[in-house]
Amino acid sequence: EVQLVQSGAEVKKPGESLKLSCKGSGYTFPTYWIAWVRHMPGKGLEWMGIIYPTDSDSRYSPSLQGQVTFSADKSTSTAYLHFSSLKASDTAMYYCARLAGGMDVWGQGTTVTVSS
Amino acid sequence: EIVLTQSPGTVSLSPGERATLSCRASRSVGSSYLAWYQKKPGQAPRLLIDGASSRATGIPDRFSGSGSGTDFTLTISRLEPEDFAVYYCQHYGSLPYTFGQGTNLEIK
Repeated sequence: EVQLVQSGAEVKKPGESLKLSCKGSGYTFPTYWIAWVRHMPGKGLEWMGIIYPTDSDSRYSPSLQGQVTFSADKSTSTAYLHFSSLKASDTAMYYCARLAGGMDVWGQGTTVTVSS
Repeated sequence: EIVLTQSPGTVSLSPGERATLSCRASRSVGSSYLAWYQKKPGQAPRLLIDGASSRATGIPDRFSGSGSGTDFTLTISRLEPEDFAVYYCQHYGSLPYTFGQGTNLEIK
């Protein structure tokens, strides 16, 4: 079965760092781009960017450039989303998804709550 | 950046009725590089339509997509109770890929 499994919910304080994970299985992980999508409370889906696990080539949404970093470890079939200094506005559900034209396989999502 | 505008924002229909959702791009997304997703509360989005008109694996044939260039449509021929959700279009024609703001399909 092709699937993406994301790390568990996080509760953090402003200014803290955070790394979310997304582990793929059931397919050749390095050869598909992985997308990250944000869903803020009461808002629509937001495309954050993509990473190619083979070489970690990454493309970011202009609105998020510099605020997050993508990485990947092809040896463990895992992609990561890194926040260096969280803000309250980072509170959201974060999804990873496999890019095959559209996004055909999704992780279950990771809830991130940032509050002092 | 290509901006996708979905209409209507909210539509109220009854089970058995036909739903027609629109997605318009600020410029051509290039051939048919458009996907539609269904989003229900507490669930990850689900790919419905890829390449503007190809149903994803396991999607019932009451869902259909059409259009090209800048104007796209998702049609649900006969609404089932489980179809009431938020629907998003998303393009992948050029970076950055973007989503529309969503159409909320609610029960009348």
